[in-house]
Parts: sequence; C-alpha cells; structure tokens
Amino acid sequence: AQTVTQSQPEMSVQEAETVTLSCTYDTSENNYYLFWYKQPPSRQMILVIRQEAYKQQNATENRFSVNFQKAAKSFSLKISDSQLGDTAMYFCAFGSGNTGKLIFGQGTTLQVKP
Amino acid sequence: EAGVAQSPRYKIIEKRQSVAFWCNPISGHATLYWYQQILGQGPKLLIQFQNNGVVDDSQLPKDRFSAERLKGVDSTLKIQPAKLEDSAVYLCASSSSDRGNYGYTFGSGTRLTVV
Repeated sequence: AQTVTQSQPEMSVQEAETVTLSCTYDTSENNYYLFWYKQPPSRQMILVIRQEAYKQQNATENRFSVNFQKAAKSFSLKISDSQLGDTAMYFCAFGSGNTGKLIFGQGTTLQVKP
Repeated sequence: EAGVAQSPRYKIIEKRQSVAFWCNPISGHATLYWYQQILGQGPKLLIQFQNNGVVDDSQLPKDRFSAERLKGVDSTLKIQPAKLEDSAVYLCASSSSDRGNYGYTFGSGTRLTVV
C-alpha cells in the first residue's frame, strides 16, 4: 500500500522569503505521479504542481518548484518570494498510474507573515 | 469549463440521523472520488468510481456509508445513521483519466457537523 508522510505540521515564513515543505512517500509501483495541493480556508483543493515519476527533471510553476528524489522517495516543495496569499494548508499527494487512486499526506499549515 | 459541483455546502444533523451529499463532476470525467477530510488532517479516500462501477471502496464504512453513481455522471454519498465521528468535510473529485496522469479536480466540499 502507498503511504505519504509530511513531517512538518506547521511552518511559517516571512513575506518575500523562500520556504521548503517536505514530503516522503512509499510505494512499490513504478508508474505514478506526485502532486502538491493548496487548500485555503475556502476548502477548495487547488493543484499547485505536478511531477511525473518517469521524468528526472524537476517540475516548476512560476514561484513553485519541486525537488524530486526518486531513489529516496522524497518530493519537497519550494516556494520562492512567498506572498501573503500563499498562506494555506499544503498537501502532498501520490497518484497511482495503475489505479488512478490519489493518496494524501497529513498536510502542512503554512503561514506567510508580513 | 464548469468545475466539480457539490451540495449542500454545510449540513448540521443530530447523531443517528441520515444525510446525503451530492456531486456533479466535470462533464466527460469518467472517474469520480469521494474523500473524507477530518479537521486538521489530509483527505482520506472513501470510494472511487470508474463510470458507474466501483473501483475501490476498501475504506468505506459500509455498515453506515453508501454511495452510488447513476448513469456514470452524478454521485450521491449517504450516511445512515450518522455518528459524532463522521463530522468532517466531504470532498468530491473527478478525473478524465483512470490512471491519474491528467490530475484531479476537486469540488468545494460539504462540511458536515454531527451533534
């Protein structure tokens, strides 16, 4: 069975600085996808970034980038130039390429301070 | 395109009552998921549909929870009878792929409070 672990329940960062959120996962599958989702108080789950496991190149979306270490089963999210609007709960998720099942970690609450 | 629609947005019921949640996925999305998210935790998958068939319901408490997806489109999740520990946000998501590669789109969820 797949598991996703986020070991940082809460983090804070000053506006304009950089923060990294950690995530590790466990799976025996070779075909999978990894995601970071943002969930603000509105509860809407918003896709931040997506990584295909077969790609070695780390995904980047504007201020958001990942450090994907496949052998270590690690998938961290880096947020550069943090903005107040980045304040939210962030979830790491594993998507099975075999079943389409999506498994979430416990989440990290990020607060960006002015 | 329209997003995943869920209703109601909020629901308060007494324990032992029944409740139903409704989800309308993005048009054409064959795969539909229901998640339970307890406050402060990550969403937990309850059931996964592919068209109108169940792919995975291993985490669904079948003694009180049931779900159906009529004609492979809308879906309803029911709880009967509700317990205090069922208080949570119930999220619906859909995907155009059954292999996860195209990502998942979530609705805004239904917040259930059982008193």
